[in-house]
Amino acid sequence: DGGITQSPKYLFRKEGQNVTLSCEQNLNHDAMYWYRQDPGQGLRLIYYSQIVNDFQKGDIAEGYSVSREKKESFPLTVTSAQKNPTAFYLCASSKGRTDSDEQYFGPGTRLTVT
Amino acid sequence: KQEVTQIPAALSVPEGENLVLNCSFTDSAIYNLQWFRQDPGKGLTSLLLIQSSQREQTSGRLNASLDKSSGRSTLYIAASQPGDSATYLCAVQLGDTDKLIFGTGTRLQVFP
Repeated sequence: DGGITQSPKYLFRKEGQNVTLSCEQNLNHDAMYWYRQDPGQGLRLIYYSQIVNDFQKGDIAEGYSVSREKKESFPLTVTSAQKNPTAFYLCASSKGRTDSDEQYFGPGTRLTVT
Repeated sequence: KQEVTQIPAALSVPEGENLVLNCSFTDSAIYNLQWFRQDPGKGLTSLLLIQSSQREQTSGRLNASLDKSSGRSTLYIAASQPGDSATYLCAVQLGDTDKLIFGTGTRLQVFP
C-alpha cells in the first residue's frame, strides 16, 4: 500500500526532553511538510522540504528542527525550547510544483508533554 | 497576508439534506484550493483540488466551486448521510510557494 506513515500514534514526554516524530512516505513525492493542529485552530505549517537535503521554515518553526537526508523520510524533532509542545502533529507530502499539487496526509501523532 | 475563513464553524442537519460549506480567502493570487475531510483524532483526507484556472470539481456527491475574483469557494454535499459527519477544511496554496494556508474548518454532524 502506498501512503504516509507516522509513528507513534500517541507520545508522552516530560517537560525539558527532546522528542522526534517519524514520518515516512512511499509515494515517491519530492515535497514533505509538517503541520501542527491545536483545538479551535487551523493547521499551521512548521517546516517543509521541497527536495532532499533542503528544507525551509514555516510559520511556527521556533523550537522545532527537521532533517531530510532521504526522499522518503522527514523526521521532526520537538526541542525543549518549544514552549507549548502539546499538540496534534500532521505530516504531509506532495509531488511538488505541478498543476495538481495535492497534499496527502499521514494519520498524525498526538504529543503530550507534562 | 493570506487569511482563510470558513463559515459556519459548526453545522447539524438531518440526513438527506443538501449542504453548502463556505470558504473565503483574502488574497486571490492562489495556485490552487483544496478541500479536506478530517475525522476525530485522524489525519486529513483530500476530497477535491481545484486549480486556479478551474471553476469547479466534482467527485460523487461532492462538488466544489472556486471564484478567485471574489475570494470564495463552496463545497456542496448532496443528499447528506450520517457517514459524512466530520470536520471539513479548506486550504489555499500560495502562488509562489508550496505552502498551504488552512481555514479553521466546519464541523458537520448529520443525524439519522
